[in-house]
Amino acid sequence: AQSVTQPDIHITVSEGASLELRCNYSYGATPYLFWYVQSPGQGLQLLLKYFSGDTLVQGIKGFEAEFKRSQSSFNLRKPSVHWSDAAEYFCAVGAGDTGFQKLVFGTGTRLLVSP
Amino acid sequence: KAGVTQTPRYLIKTRGQQVTLSCSPISGHRSVSWYQQTPGQGLQFLFEYFSETQRNKGNFPGRFSGRQFSNSRSEMNVSTLELGDSALYLCASRVGGPTDTQYFGPGTRLTVL
Repeated sequence: AQSVTQPDIHITVSEGASLELRCNYSYGATPYLFWYVQSPGQGLQLLLKYFSGDTLVQGIKGFEAEFKRSQSSFNLRKPSVHWSDAAEYFCAVGAGDTGFQKLVFGTGTRLLVSP
Repeated sequence: KAGVTQTPRYLIKTRGQQVTLSCSPISGHRSVSWYQQTPGQGLQFLFEYFSETQRNKGNFPGRFSGRQFSNSRSEMNVSTLELGDSALYLCASRVGGPTDTQYFGPGTRLTVL
């Protein structure tokens, strides 16, 4: 069965510092991978996605992620964090018989940004 | 384009009651999926509807059901509510193809007392 692991429940980063959020997945075929962000009381906003091709994908708000098949990882990075980035981040893999009819999510990483 | 809308945004019910949540997808999107988010279980897939047919279902009891109308709007119903059904219910829509991105609504916060 497909699964996603986000090993860090909380991460605190100083404003202006770089950020890396870890994500490991388990999926038998070529995965469709996503990063979503959720602010308190809000739904999920897509940051970026990987289907195929270039393993370094660019997203919104200055985020990027790198797909590493050998490590089954899809880590999210940002070179300089802003206070407004404080939120919960979810990694997800698309699963289903044909494409990704459903998303399997990790448990999320809550990002705190200190001044 | 307007985003995914969900109504109501907040709901309080008591055990044993039933509830219906509504989701209006982005115009042109034919697929609607539902997810449950709780602190203990995280985000879990409930079901997906495409062109009024349930196409995929998660591991939830039969008390959870859904339907989709010809205009792609979807409703989910939970019967005989339990305390553990308290959650944020998120709806997501996409055009319908196998590689389409899912766009999420703001969710309905259900509290069961």
